[in-house]
Amino acid sequence: GAVVSQHPSWVICKSGTSVKIECRSLDFQATTMFWYRQFPKQSLMLMATSNEGSKATYEQGVEKDKFLINHASLTLSTLTVTSAHPEDSSFYICSAAGQLTKEQYFGPGTRLTVT
Amino acid sequence: SQELEQSPQSLIVQEGKNLTINCTSSKTLYGLYWYKQKYGEGLIFLMMLQKGGEEKSHEKITAKLDEKKQQSSLHITASQPSHAGIYLCGAEAPGTYKYIFGTGTRLKVLA
Repeated sequence: GAVVSQHPSWVICKSGTSVKIECRSLDFQATTMFWYRQFPKQSLMLMATSNEGSKATYEQGVEKDKFLINHASLTLSTLTVTSAHPEDSSFYICSAAGQLTKEQYFGPGTRLTVT
Repeated sequence: SQELEQSPQSLIVQEGKNLTINCTSSKTLYGLYWYKQKYGEGLIFLMMLQKGGEEKSHEKITAKLDEKKQQSSLHITASQPSHAGIYLCGAEAPGTYKYIFGTGTRLKVLA
């Protein structure tokens, strides 16, 4: 149980375009989902926390207008990188937490390359 | 804010050797998680520790949380090339659902 998927697993886009990454909890309802970013040889950095049906809470230094997060249902959250630039190239990982436990279940990640 | 420092940052060991990775917190830990990650892939959950003095084992990996709940160690016995990867400790930020992650330890096991 507690499987989280991400789609796509990797994406290449041109500078200036927008990219949407999906995070799905496959076998449980996720009231809270988290989005992380990981640069090469670095740890995970939390970008934002999203609760189903409400606005996401962004960490300090994360541009909310650039990284749009939508958590429209209990099984799906999306991260849209708007007007992507090469410096947005990174590994993005989502996680999902259920209603009763604080434990987070992680997706396999999405590698974004902006050319 | 709480910070997690891991040591060493990187480690190269010969196959069959034992090794230990440490995770030190600036504040009391409430829920300490160990994960393994191969670069470019997702996190593999290893173990979770909550109580001071708790110790858990899975196959050749043992994790401990000290009595004061500010430090955890991950010990691998008789390491194998399959143990290679990045090891991350993570902890629940008090009063929130957020996790903070340690700085990571890159392990390489030479065959």
